[in-house]
Parts: sequence; structure tokens; C-alpha cells
Amino acid sequence: NAGVTQTPKFQVLKTGQSMTLQCAQDMNHEYMSWYRQDPGMGLRLIHYSVGAGITDQGEVPNGYNVSRSTTEDFPLRLLSAAPSQTSVYFCASRLGVATDTQYFGPGTRLTVL
Amino acid sequence: GENVEQHPSTLSVQEGDSAVIKCTYSDSASNYFPWYKQELGKRPQLIIDIRSNVGEKKDQRIAVTLNKTAKHFSLHITETQPEDSAVYFCAATPDTGRRALTFGSGTRLQVQP
Repeated sequence: NAGVTQTPKFQVLKTGQSMTLQCAQDMNHEYMSWYRQDPGMGLRLIHYSVGAGITDQGEVPNGYNVSRSTTEDFPLRLLSAAPSQTSVYFCASRLGVATDTQYFGPGTRLTVL
Repeated sequence: GENVEQHPSTLSVQEGDSAVIKCTYSDSASNYFPWYKQELGKRPQLIIDIRSNVGEKKDQRIAVTLNKTAKHFSLHITETQPEDSAVYFCAATPDTGRRALTFGSGTRLQVQP
């Protein structure tokens, strides 16, 4: 199993550009989520999905869209990048219920100029 | 929603000493409390977790305690080693609503050889 994979590892954008961060898992996990990590602020939830076709907003959803057309994939779209979106983005997945172990992808380091 | 506070933000200990990191949570419905370790440039990885029906759990040099009445839980690392140096995050989640992990802001542990 590859586990949770993310691409790209690094990305530099200009303000106003759009892009998609890719996330995939091969563990047949129902629950997937996106977090952003900023210094001194821990990991904050952007969006999450409890299964294919179902997504919902987390703590900091503004400026981001998600979709979940398959169980395996959960892409995160930045609609119009802003410097405030400079961060490290982690995708995570778990089997289903809250007490299942949550696994993180390797992260994408995004810089918006 | 849930709010998790973590202290201290930085902790420096001598090799062989013990380290304790404390977290408090706000949502009395939270029933799952994992701890993650994140080495520099890497993804967070689960090191230990505890469920609300248990007061203490131990795994070799690592232990976690939970006080549901006071809504706080702690990570204890004994006989610290230089490879324990990392950022540690606590988290909490209920098994209702979003069922998403809410993370503390992290503790940077430095073990001095």
C-alpha cells in the first residue's frame, strides 16, 4: 500500500492563480480531510468528506473547494490564490469512525507571491 | 465546536529526563484523544491514543493520561532520547458532527544530549 499520497510536494503561485492539490489513498478509507499547517497554529481543518459524493466545510474553508467523486481521490482546489494561503497542506484519511487511526500524506508546501 | 489548548509551546530537557505535555479540551462529547509526532519536514505520525473509557495507556516509554472530569489529557515521555526531539500535537474529537480531529498548537520538544 502506498498509503496517502499528495502531489505536488512544492508549489509557487502568483496571487490570483488557481491550482489543484492532489490527494489519493489506497486503503479504502471512507473519511478524508484537508488541513493547513501554519507556524504556531497546529493543523486546521479546511474541508472533509465522509464518503464519495459527500463533502463539508471545516474550520477554515474560505478560498478552497473540494470534490469527492471516488473513494480514493480528494483534490483541493485554490480558486484565486492569496498570500494568506501560503502554508503547508496535509491530506489525511481514516477508515470511518472518529476513533480509527488517521493517516497523513507527506504534505504540499505552497508559497503564494 | 471543539477547542484544544496545548502547553508548553517549547520544552527543553536533558537526555534521560522525563517530558510532560498537557492539553485541555472544551467539548465534553469528545471521546478520542490521539497524540502525533512530527519531525522536521515530515508528516504527523500517530504515536499513541486514548479513548474516553480509559484513564491511562502506556506504550514503552510513552504514556497518556486522561481526566474527563477536568477535560485534560497529558503525554508523558520517560528516559528521553535525542530522537524524541520533534513537535508533538495533541488532538480531540467526538464521534458526532464533523467527527474531525481538532489539534492543539503543538509543543516543540528538544532533548539535549
